[in-house]
Amino acid sequence: SYVLTQPPSVSVAPEKTARMTCEGNNIGTKYVHWYQQKPGQAPVVVIYYNNDRPSGIPERFSASNSGNTATLTISGVEAGDEADYFCQVWSSADAAWVFGGGTKLTVL
Amino acid sequence: EVRLVASGGGLVQPGGSLRLSCVVSGVTFIDYAMSWVRQTPGKGLEWVSGISGTGGITYYAESVKGRCTITRDDSTNTLRMQLSSLRAGDTAIYYCVRLSGMDLPMANFENWGQGILVAVSS
Repeated sequence: SYVLTQPPSVSVAPEKTARMTCEGNNIGTKYVHWYQQKPGQAPVVVIYYNNDRPSGIPERFSASNSGNTATLTISGVEAGDEADYFCQVWSSADAAWVFGGGTKLTVL
Repeated sequence: EVRLVASGGGLVQPGGSLRLSCVVSGVTFIDYAMSWVRQTPGKGLEWVSGISGTGGITYYAESVKGRCTITRDDSTNTLRMQLSSLRAGDTAIYYCVRLSGMDLPMANFENWGQGILVAVSS
């Protein structure tokens, strides 16, 4: 079955840039979606179709996807960005949605 | 405003079954695929099941295949999931999710419900 691997944690100082990776075999050939989940809340999509942003999501959020790695980038990190971030793809081989294990972003 | 309100959770005995329901409002329900996602407290997200906008195509995670049935009632804007032969590993918060389109593989998970806790224990 298809596996997505995310680092458990990333720490960044305010106003700096946070980069969170999501690794999967040939993930660059798939659409990747990214979700933000704050404590006690349901997830919210922040990036879809590799690098599209829903309305209401700041331009500070962007993403890329190539080869075996997709990356979510948050520039000018704010305290309010502290959350868990999950990547997601559709695995046609498994006929299933797959989530990465999630990365906890800590703003120092 | 899109609202997804789930019900049917609670404490269930091992080997038992549960039926979760989710009423959706604020969108044309028939136009969208729907899904269930679960999350063990403090852990990651696990996709469980999905159903196309037409209801004609269903998908299941390996972990629930054979003991899970997802259905939709377009007349009442209701998504349901029946899960049987419950075990401790099914204990989780279950989220009802509206996808961004009619077909599961082509959509992202656009709106999430509030989550409902299912605890499997004797």
